[in-house]
Amino acid sequence: EAGVTQFPSHSVIEKGQTVTLRCDPISGHDNLYWYRRVMGKEIKFLLHFVKESKQDESGMPNNRFLAERTGGTYSTLKVQPAELEDSGVYFCASSRKRQGAYTEAFFGQGTRLTVV
Amino acid sequence: AQSVTQLDSHVSVSEGTPVLLRCNYSSSYSPSLFWYVQHPNKGLQLLLKYTSAATLVKGINGFEAEFKKSETSFHLTKPSAHMSDAAEYFCVVPGGNQFYFGTGTSLTVIP
Repeated sequence: EAGVTQFPSHSVIEKGQTVTLRCDPISGHDNLYWYRRVMGKEIKFLLHFVKESKQDESGMPNNRFLAERTGGTYSTLKVQPAELEDSGVYFCASSRKRQGAYTEAFFGQGTRLTVV
Repeated sequence: AQSVTQLDSHVSVSEGTPVLLRCNYSSSYSPSLFWYVQHPNKGLQLLLKYTSAATLVKGINGFEAEFKKSETSFHLTKPSAHMSDAAEYFCVVPGGNQFYFGTGTSLTVIP
């Protein structure tokens, strides 16, 4: 079974440019999450999809960030325009549909974004 | 609301000695709890999980954790550290629509 895959693994862009990160979850996982870790600080929640629907986007920092999950499969996270403080590692995770207790989330390798 | 507190940001042990990474949780109900590990330049890997079955949970690579409700703790242990255990470890509690991460404990193993 393939794991969670994220593209690209690294991205260096200039301030003001646009970047799109992609996440391919494990096949059949309804839940998809985006997290971010900035400058070695805490890993912070960005948003949660159940299939194609956004369940919770309370962690999105501002309207420069746009996440989509068309068709309930892969997801993209677009940053437009990028700012210096957006630099960090962006993690994607997926998990099975809950039936009672929470199931574990499987994480991708992360995308390291550097805005210069 | 759910939260976890990792009591040590850095832990250093000698190879072959025991490892103890501490985690306390806060939850309004009996939670699920997870430990994840991140090796340098790698993704987050699940070490073990507690989901209200046995309170002593065994994970991969010889790690285990004990859920203690009276102490609201879920400490991670390993009897004998190996060089390959050097990594960052995260205690995680799920709740609502997300997983809440602790601040992480960086484990250094001294040869």
